[in-house]
Amino acid sequence: IVLTQSPGTLSLSPGERATLSCRASQSISSTHLAWYQQRPGQAPRVLIYGASNRATGIPDRFSGSGSGTDFTLTISRLEPEDFAVYYCQQYGTSPKTFGQGTKVEI
Amino acid sequence: QAQLEQSGPAVKKPGASVKVSCRASGYSFFTFGITWVRQAPGQGLEWMGSISVFNGKTDLAQKFQGRVTMTTDTPTSTAYMELRSLRSDDTAVYYCARDLSTMVSPNWLDPWGQGTRVTVSS
Repeated sequence: IVLTQSPGTLSLSPGERATLSCRASQSISSTHLAWYQQRPGQAPRVLIYGASNRATGIPDRFSGSGSGTDFTLTISRLEPEDFAVYYCQQYGTSPKTFGQGTKVEI
Repeated sequence: QAQLEQSGPAVKKPGASVKVSCRASGYSFFTFGITWVRQAPGQGLEWMGSISVFNGKTDLAQKFQGRVTMTTDTPTSTAYMELRSLRSDDTAVYYCARDLSTMVSPNWLDPWGQGTRVTVSS
């Protein structure tokens, strides 16, 4: 399953809303879609699992939605630490593919 | 809390092999699997495969079959990933991550190790 993320880069300012898209080449169960954040020089960490469930310790400004082939990660009000690269992953079908990433930059 | 500690950086020549370790702590190692993901310089994440600590069964991405071996050592709570016949395009940071999948439900990855940089150069 190929995951295509858009846009490739999102240029925004702190306090603005970010909307990131992840489109799958075939329908996937919403329970099998995760979003990860990777800050520069750091390992990825999970933000959202099951398309819409926030992982432990993740602020409520992060939310996920979607079903079928179209999924969205929304950051309601960008904080300085949110400028990073975001990846979606489907983990329902092997190989458990990642999207190519969306960079959120200032 | 659950943590994964990976081995240090490695520099290898083309054709050699590398074995990366990933030591787990803070949870029952036997309960979950380990997934390996790599990231080439400036690139995205690439899923390599996973291993069930429970039964040793592996699930490898097709491009790595025959070249990657994943193993675990339960007494030391350590997972290993060996990549053979190294090429320059294997230069990447290799991450291990706890795979929260169960026998009945595939799940996400959490947490991740800090990454191991592998450089392949003559």
